Amino acid sequence: DTGVSQNPRHKITKRGQNVTFRCDPISEHNRLYWYRQTLGQGPEFLTYFQNEAQLEKSRLLSDRFSAERPKGSFSTLEIQRTEQGDSAMYLCASSPWAGGPSSYEQYFGPGTRLTVT
Amino acid sequence: DQQVKQNSPSLSVQEGRISILNCDYTNSMFDYFLWYKKYPAEGPTFLISISSIKDKNEDGRFTVFLNKSAKHLSLHIVPSQPGDSAVYFCAASAHTGNQFYFGTGTSLTVIP
Repeated sequence: DTGVSQNPRHKITKRGQNVTFRCDPISEHNRLYWYRQTLGQGPEFLTYFQNEAQLEKSRLLSDRFSAERPKGSFSTLEIQRTEQGDSAMYLCASSPWAGGPSSYEQYFGPGTRLTVT
Repeated sequence: DQQVKQNSPSLSVQEGRISILNCDYTNSMFDYFLWYKKYPAEGPTFLISISSIKDKNEDGRFTVFLNKSAKHLSLHIVPSQPGDSAVYFCAASAHTGNQFYFGTGTSLTVIP
């Protein structure tokens, strides 16, 4: 069973450093979503891709954040000049979007926990 | 601006009894609603969903009810089992599936 995988699982970095996270979705899934989750909150939408195209970004996504999904396969999320407020769990999810009911079912990875010191 | 709200942070239920988890939303454009279950150190796992054209969807021990006029949905688990102990999130999306909005979660504890 090849579910959604994320690497690294944990990342500790110093303020001002750049970090990059990777997400490998389920191979046949054409949509890929990034979320951020902080303690006591639910996942918060950041951005999503349909195949290689980034179709929507949350207004919460500052210009320090950038995401890519080259060739519509894996995706990377980069945070430049990290701040302590960036400390959170970053979740990736994928779905087989075709417009039907199962399209809405997202499969989440285990997340990358970022700690900015 | 929290468009999906779960007002009960926690719920404890005896094994074998019914668990009822509630969720309210504010955006009338939401077309699809989902429940996810999350164990510690894992990502959320899809549980059950409902389209806005229905008022009930059932899958085994899990039933989701949707009251569009009240902008309210609930998840019923019958009978509750200790393995159901987890954090439950409700989520909502417009029909485009472009963005999903999650509630803050309810931590369910099923007491053996």
